[in-house]
Amino acid sequence: DTAVSQTPKYLVTQMGNDKSIKCEQNLGHDTMYWYKQDSKKFLKIMFSYNNKELIINETVPNRFSPKSPDKAHLNLHINSLELGDSAVYFCASSQDLAGAYGYTFGSGTRLTVV
Amino acid sequence: RKEVEQDPGPFNVPEGATVAFNCTYSNSASQSFFWYRQDCRKEPKLLMSVYSSGNEDGRFTAQLNRASQYISLLIRDSKLSDSATYLCVVLAPGYSTLTFGKGTMLLVSP
Repeated sequence: DTAVSQTPKYLVTQMGNDKSIKCEQNLGHDTMYWYKQDSKKFLKIMFSYNNKELIINETVPNRFSPKSPDKAHLNLHINSLELGDSAVYFCASSQDLAGAYGYTFGSGTRLTVV
Repeated sequence: RKEVEQDPGPFNVPEGATVAFNCTYSNSASQSFFWYRQDCRKEPKLLMSVYSSGNEDGRFTAQLNRASQYISLLIRDSKLSDSATYLCVVLAPGYSTLTFGKGTMLLVSP
């Protein structure tokens, strides 16, 4: 029973397209996140949501729009994809906003823009 | 100074060796500390939390030095399956998020 699940696992698309990545957690956690891991393997926070409310929005182009229909789901929509968007996108969740017990990550979505 | 700094490695060690990684963090008010492990093409997984008093989990020992702002991870009796990237992770106070170091790669050979 997967705790944090993301779909799709792989996504190959052309520049200029719009795509979405979905994330669901069944841990009953209040807080969810999107992280981006680039080719240099650096994990960087993009967004965090707590009980459907946006808490953190790092310096991310506004082509990226997260949506949280309920606290168990956090989706990421990307408009007008660019080559530089190619990366692995990880969804994660934590018990609460404090995150003192660490995060549980999904298995990642490997996005390749061609 | 980067928020969380680690030696990227790789550290190449034979099976059975003891290996230690260090990590430094810049925000002196940071409250929670973790070591995560990431296998190639997989997600990061929590290895252990790091407590002020130091803590041990089997072959793994984590230490925190708040005065010097560094965290360490010691792995004893290395196994082939320990080969992975070890990520030092810090949580700043307030409604912050986990900040990850770039990771230290460990390669354990037979």
